[in-house]
Order: sequence, then C-alpha cells, then structure tokens
Amino acid sequence: KQEVTQIPAALSVPEGENLVLNCSFTDSAIYNLQWFRQDPGKGLTSLLLIQSSQREQTSGRLNASLDKSSGRSTLYIAASQPGDSATYLCAVRPYDTGFQKLVFGTGTRLLVSP
Amino acid sequence: DVKVTQSSRYLVKRTGEKVFLECVQDMDHENMFWYRQDPGLGLRLIYFSYDVKMKEKGDIPEGYSVSREKKERFSLILESASTNQTSMYLCASSPASGGATEQFFGPGTRLTVL
Repeated sequence: KQEVTQIPAALSVPEGENLVLNCSFTDSAIYNLQWFRQDPGKGLTSLLLIQSSQREQTSGRLNASLDKSSGRSTLYIAASQPGDSATYLCAVRPYDTGFQKLVFGTGTRLLVSP
Repeated sequence: DVKVTQSSRYLVKRTGEKVFLECVQDMDHENMFWYRQDPGLGLRLIYFSYDVKMKEKGDIPEGYSVSREKKERFSLILESASTNQTSMYLCASSPASGGATEQFFGPGTRLTVL
C-alpha cells in the first residue's frame, strides 16, 4: 500500500531564505507526483505536476524534482516571501489503482517571517 | 483557468439530518472526486466518478453516497449525518486520458455536525 510522508511537519524561516520541502513515497510505481499549496481554511491550489518520466518541473520561484527510484521528491522555494506561508502537500498517483486516485502526504506547514 | 466551485464554504447540520454537498466544474472534465480532510489524517478519497451516472468507492465511502446526473456536477450525500462526519470536504476534477492528468480542487466546505 502506497504511503506518502512529508518531513518536516512544520518549518519557520525568515524572509529571503531558500528552502527545501521533502516528500517521500514507499512505492515507485507511480504515474506522477503533484505538489499543492493550501492556505488556512481553503482548498488546494496545484503548483507543479511531475510525470514519472520527468526529473523536475519549474514554475517561477518553485522547482520540484522527482527521483522515482529512491521514492523522493523535493520542492525548492527560492527567495521565500511572507506570502509563501501556507501548507504544502505532495500527492502521488499510483499505478495500482484502477482510477485516478491520489495518495496524499499530511503536509508541511511553512511560515515565512518578514 | 479551470474552476471548481462548491455550494457552501461553511455548513452546520444536526445529527441525523440528510446533507447535500454540491460541486460544479466548468472545464468539461470527465473525472470528479470527493475527499475529506482531517488533521493528522490528510486527504482521503470518499468517492470518484469517471462519467455521468458512474461512480467508484474510494477509501472511506461508509456513510456517504454520491450522484452525478450531469457531467459538470457531482454531489456528495450524507444520508444521516453523524458527528464523526464533521470535516473539511474537498471536491476535485480532472480530464480523462490515462494517468498523466492533474487534479484541480475547489475551495472546500467545512461541515460541522452537532
């Protein structure tokens, strides 16, 4: 059964720092991995989608990498800003389900201080 | 931009009431999903629909049913609400075409059952 873990559960940094959020998964048989952002009390906003054949994706200050063989993904945020404060979730789409089920981690809560 | 909307942001109901949560997407997506999100447990899939009138159970379907009469609309029904169904409910949609597609989420409905 696929399990997704995100460490740390919470992270606090001063504005301007570059930071890395980690996501690990137990089974490398995945179609893709998706990173989301969630603001308190709100829905999920999709940030980046990495297909299983890709190594990384970039969007603005965000860069996500995928190492399928080791079951790991990282989300790199450059020059962090207070507006980046949110919970970041990763999710994988496993092969072993007959439909498009995502398996989610429990998230990393990020606080960027001015 | 893909837009997924949910009928209510906040809902308070009494134990035993029948509750309807509505979700509408405007991008002609084939797939629609209902998740619930609880602290420490992350997001868990309740039901999935891949076409009008078609549905599949997710990980935690007990106590819930769904309805999809039109492609753009997917309803989650709590037949007899209970306090353990107090949660954040999130709807998502995605296009068909294999495993490579991205899921887009609505803003969520926070349901409290008293």
